[in-house]
Amino acid sequence: GAGVSQTPSNKVTEKGKYVELRCDPISGHTALYWYRQSLGQGPEFLIYFQGTGAADDSGLPNDRFFAVRPEGSVSTLKIQRTERGDSAVYLCASSLEQGLDTEAFFGQGTRLTVV
Amino acid sequence: GDSVTQMEGPVTLSEEAFLTINCTYTATGYPSLFWYVQYPGEGLQLLLKATKADDKGSNKGFEATYRKETTSFHLEKGSVQVSDSAVYFCALNDYKLSFGAGTTVTVRA
Repeated sequence: GAGVSQTPSNKVTEKGKYVELRCDPISGHTALYWYRQSLGQGPEFLIYFQGTGAADDSGLPNDRFFAVRPEGSVSTLKIQRTERGDSAVYLCASSLEQGLDTEAFFGQGTRLTVV
Repeated sequence: GDSVTQMEGPVTLSEEAFLTINCTYTATGYPSLFWYVQYPGEGLQLLLKATKADDKGSNKGFEATYRKETTSFHLEKGSVQVSDSAVYFCALNDYKLSFGAGTTVTVRA
């Protein structure tokens, strides 16, 4: 596609429910990143995929959060037993490869609200 | 761990004014440094980058120089326009991006 696509753009869910957020990266990009951005803050790293494997998941806050990228393209971020503190904008980014000077392209994000 | 500290906003300027946004970093390695910008209603996009000490990144009239001795990467523009109104994020890349908190800039006509 032309850019990184994230769906849905907005998601409202009740506390305790399960949610899935989808990211469709730029075609051919092997590296995919998930970030979380709270109001008034910069994006915080959650997890990075190189191909199908999670190369670095050190930013996932706890075991309620999980992400997959089964075919090395689309990725899904899964949040179990959502809490009000999970409310944030979840950003996905992709890059051609992982590297120190590689540009990451960001999607518009999914705004998650837990009520 | 790696971290970025940038000047708090919001910053309000008149058109044609000079803009500086300070950014300092802490890193154990030799990261690349970036400025990302988020215009109203749009996603994050790369504004400029520098990959090693003394490199200068530039784009759309903005400039920033990678200063290893002061661990800084300050963003400057000599004459801002209304269209520069946005949130600016300083970031370092040590194989994953670490962002500052962002600085909201509003330029008045």
